[in-house]
Amino acid sequence: GQQVMQIPQYQHVQEGEDFTTYCNSSTTLSNIQWYKQRPGGHPVFLIQLVKSGEVKKQKRLTFQFGEAKKNSSLHITATQTTDVGTYFCAGSSQGGSEKLVFGKGTKLTVNP
Amino acid sequence: NAGVTQTPKFQVLKTGQSMTLQCAQDMNHEYMSWYRQDPGMGLRLIHYSVGAGITDQGEVPNGYNVSRSTTEDFPLRLLSAAPSQTSVYFCASSYSVGQGVLPLHFGNGTRLTVT
Repeated sequence: GQQVMQIPQYQHVQEGEDFTTYCNSSTTLSNIQWYKQRPGGHPVFLIQLVKSGEVKKQKRLTFQFGEAKKNSSLHITATQTTDVGTYFCAGSSQGGSEKLVFGKGTKLTVNP
Repeated sequence: NAGVTQTPKFQVLKTGQSMTLQCAQDMNHEYMSWYRQDPGMGLRLIHYSVGAGITDQGEVPNGYNVSRSTTEDFPLRLLSAAPSQTSVYFCASSYSVGQGVLPLHFGNGTRLTVT
């Protein structure tokens, strides 16, 4: 079945450093979504990418969708303590899949 | 708008007991799903539904049943709880399935412990 792999599993940075998490799917995706989960909370939707090669920005966050629609990345510039949490990618296989499969997430901690 | 409401927030069961985790949404979403979250395992899909009367299995369906008699409600039933079902359970919903599943709205979760 479809698998979504995400690396790294953990990342610890100093405040002000950049952070990147990478996501790879075993199948071609119709879209990829990114979620953030704060400690003790529930996942919250950040963004969806649909087009091959798409790049979207939200303030200090940059999201990319690969040309083959099988990989994606999230880059945070100049991390802040408010960025702490676990970031998940999730994708649906191309062809109208009704399942959204999540990666295992990258847990980000930020040292002030 | 309450969004996605899950009850209870916490539950402790003994092995072999049964229970139902409740999930309700007031956003008129067609698509509803259940995930479990375990340390280091991310979110794994248990069951999902694309509309009232329609349910299907996800990645880890064994030991769980669901039904979707109304658009609003999607309960998850554990027939005979096992310690391996100790987890945090999230219910999530979205408007529909078009080109893949649309962005999900998650409930606050139910933390279940089976002893």
